[in-house]
Amino acid sequence: QKEVEQNSGPLSVPEGAIASLNCTYSDRGSQSFFWYRQYSGKSPELIMFIYSNGDKEDGRFTAQLNKASQYVSLLIRDSQPSDSATYLCAVGKSNYQLIWGAGTKLIIKP
Amino acid sequence: DGGITQSPKYLFRKEGQNVTLSCEQNLNHDAMYWYRQDPGQGLRLIYYSQIVNDFQKGDIAEGYSVSREKKESFPLTVTSAQKNPTAFYLCASSIDFRDRYNEQFFGPGTRLTVL
Repeated sequence: QKEVEQNSGPLSVPEGAIASLNCTYSDRGSQSFFWYRQYSGKSPELIMFIYSNGDKEDGRFTAQLNKASQYVSLLIRDSQPSDSATYLCAVGKSNYQLIWGAGTKLIIKP
Repeated sequence: DGGITQSPKYLFRKEGQNVTLSCEQNLNHDAMYWYRQDPGQGLRLIYYSQIVNDFQKGDIAEGYSVSREKKESFPLTVTSAQKNPTAFYLCASSIDFRDRYNEQFFGPGTRLTVL
């Protein structure tokens, strides 16, 4: 079992709809959770982080964390073609290292 | 502008050669990291450094070496001992490695191809 798991996709979502991306992790001692966006051929850029159970909203993005079930999700509202990218989930373990999922490829169809 | 720079953007290496990838940051961050990314895989940690003159091996350090002589600089050498070095190499930094809530910021990456 991988330490951080994501569905590789591709996830295809119509423009204007809500895109839902999920990530599960195995280390119960994990304290910090990050979502990065990576366009093809580019480096990852941080879009959201969450540390506490519940929801955190930033513009069109909402991160959701459930530590009891060991999953974190990212919702993108009013999806735009520019949101088409690979979304990487990163989990901060108890030893301070970030462990990365392989990413979910998101395609927003006009 | 504050940020992380990596050079070169593209690098071609013949088998048996050592090559060095540059990473510089002006964010005044203590911690720096090197990752490798292969198609369809997550980022894998090669080396990290918490402070100047100190660094630790990550999950896939074999065939790589680093130095941290200055806070701003963390070069990575890919040696001939690395059997499959063709990959996208990413340098990152964060304020403090032991702050479990700190985020990592990335440079633009170096794409290394072995001919």
